Amino acid sequence: GENVEQHPSTLSVQEGDSAVIKCTYSDSASNYFPWYKQELGKRPQLIIDIRSNVGEKKDQRIAVTLNKTAKHFSLHITETQPEDSAVYFCAARETRAQKLVFGQGTRLTINP
Amino acid sequence: DAGITQSPRHKVTETGTPVTLRCHQTENHRYMYWYRQDPGHGLRLIHYSYGVKDTDKGEVSDGYSVSRSKTEDFLLTLESATSSQTSVYFCAISAISGTSGGEQFFGPGTRLTVL
Repeated sequence: GENVEQHPSTLSVQEGDSAVIKCTYSDSASNYFPWYKQELGKRPQLIIDIRSNVGEKKDQRIAVTLNKTAKHFSLHITETQPEDSAVYFCAARETRAQKLVFGQGTRLTINP
Repeated sequence: DAGITQSPRHKVTETGTPVTLRCHQTENHRYMYWYRQDPGHGLRLIHYSYGVKDTDKGEVSDGYSVSRSKTEDFLLTLESATSSQTSVYFCAISAISGTSGGEQFFGPGTRLTVL
């Protein structure tokens, strides 16, 4: 089955700087890669996703890149703000079943 | 919030008692999921359903059973709760239609404590 590794587990950046979180996956047949943001005590919220037929997708200050050959994808947050502080999860979807396999999460802290 | 509710939102129970958590959706989505979230383990799939009466196991299904007799409801049962099942449980649905979709949305979660 699919296995997703996420790094780093914690990340601290200065407000206004960029943050990058990286994930690798094992199943070359996986075709959908979402990113979730989870604030303390809240549910995970989908913030951006990418499908295997594109290499990059942007939505304002966040972007995701996908390298199918290397089987890794990354989340990029530019011009970070205090409200970006949260735990971020990547995931990959197994194609034979509509199941997501999640990474372990990255706790992002934005320092003012 | 994709019309997903969970009940109860908080529960404290004792070891050995049965517990049932309910997930309810209003959007008629085919796929529903139960996850547990524990520190250091992220989100782990317990069971999922791909239709009424159609369910399958996830990676951490031992000690749990599920039922889906109606499209809108997906029940998770702990037949005999153990302290290792203390966790936050999230239900999710997957919106799949045509060439788009597949996005998964989560319910608000249930915090379960087994003493």
